[in-house]
Amino acid sequence: DTGVSQDPRHKITKRGQNVTFRCDPISEHNRLYWYRQTLGQGPEFLTYFQNEAQLEKSRLLSDRFSAERPKGSFSTLEIQRTEQGDSAMYLCASSLASDKYYGYTFGSGTRLTVV
Amino acid sequence: TQLLEQSPQFLSIQEGENLTVYCNSSSVFSSLQWYRQEPGEGPVLLVTVVTGGEVKKLKRLTFQFGDARKDSSLHITAAQPGDTGLYLCAVSDDMRFGAGTRLTVKP
Repeated sequence: DTGVSQDPRHKITKRGQNVTFRCDPISEHNRLYWYRQTLGQGPEFLTYFQNEAQLEKSRLLSDRFSAERPKGSFSTLEIQRTEQGDSAMYLCASSLASDKYYGYTFGSGTRLTVV
Repeated sequence: TQLLEQSPQFLSIQEGENLTVYCNSSSVFSSLQWYRQEPGEGPVLLVTVVTGGEVKKLKRLTFQFGDARKDSSLHITAAQPGDTGLYLCAVSDDMRFGAGTRLTVKP
């Protein structure tokens, strides 16, 4: 297993366009998380899945954002009608729910720039 | 929701110096994680602390969990330029991260 993979690494889009990011977690991990990180800040929680069920969503996840994990494996995060304020690093992480004191394994992130 | 406060926000030191960074909250945690993040990459897990008063060592890094499990510290001995990065504390209970301490170690 090569860890958590995110694609693309970088995305530049024009304001108003839709973008979709993909995350492939560690195969045996049943939990998958999405975070957003802006310059000088720590990661901010967006949402997480256990298997295919989306269990929690942050109020940061406006109605322009949608995340899916259709088969409990990879996940996608879509942003519709992008705004300049959406520019950030989008991080995906995975973990094993049965590990009581788990930490997360993060991917390298997708850097989104909205121009 | 637990607020995690990290201090200092920035720290710039010379190679060979020692340093301590802090993570504080008014809430009690069941466990706390420390991560290190380099520019353009995701955070990498360093350690998880679980028991109040617990001390864990990772080479030159010493992590301590407060007796009341509300705070934690990370001490680095004889810092090296390779220690440069953003140090983040996190609580998996509510998936929250602190804002981090950005450490620069100058050769």
